[in-house]
Amino acid sequence: QVTLKESGPGILQPSQTLSLTCTFSGFSLSTYGMGVGWIRQPSGKGLEWLANIWWDDDKYYNPSLKNRLTISKDTSNNQAFLKITNVDTADTATYYCARIPPGHWYFDFWGPGTMVTVSS
Amino acid sequence: DIVMTQSPSSLAVSAGETVTINCKSSQSLFGSVRQKNYLAWYQQKPGQSPKLLIYLASTRESGVPDRFIGSGSGTDFTLTISSVQAEDLANYYCQQYYDTPLTFGSGTKLEIK
Repeated sequence: QVTLKESGPGILQPSQTLSLTCTFSGFSLSTYGMGVGWIRQPSGKGLEWLANIWWDDDKYYNPSLKNRLTISKDTSNNQAFLKITNVDTADTATYYCARIPPGHWYFDFWGPGTMVTVSS
Repeated sequence: DIVMTQSPSSLAVSAGETVTINCKSSQSLFGSVRQKNYLAWYQQKPGQSPKLLIYLASTRESGVPDRFIGSGSGTDFTLTISSVQAEDLANYYCQQYYDTPLTFGSGTKLEIK
């Protein structure tokens, strides 16, 4: 049974760094072709892809935020991480992590999401 | 970036009716190597995270009812929901994974009369 769960600070101030953790079970990021992605959704709005990390530590970022994003993983502890630097109110959203099945680039299992509010 | 345009943005139907949601991409999503279209459909019910319905444009994910049908190729794709049920109340999103950045459509809100 595949599950993912996101965790984050809940609220932070503008210019701070947002650190998110995705803790998953039922699969391994050491499996050939496996990946994990991060997607966000402002309240009442659509989905925006942020970054993917793969079993071999290959990484892809959305260029619109590339300079602010860092994705990483801890395979032994079944976790993936996303950091976003210099946040502002536009980064207020629900952040999801999701599994990417081997050989594909869509998201087959999603976590419940963690809400992040950027406010002074 | 590949722009995904969904239509309509919302629709309301009665239970038992058939619904068609359209998704158009700004460039072809057909991959010549695997001869597949790299498009997925997701369902997001109120207060929940998205759920994968369809991948490779027409392959139904395991456990998804067969009333959900994906079709199309190239730049034009359709999600058809036959005999809509009250539980299908949700937002529906298409996503292209032909190229990065991965992009989603703006969503279609399905309401049940």
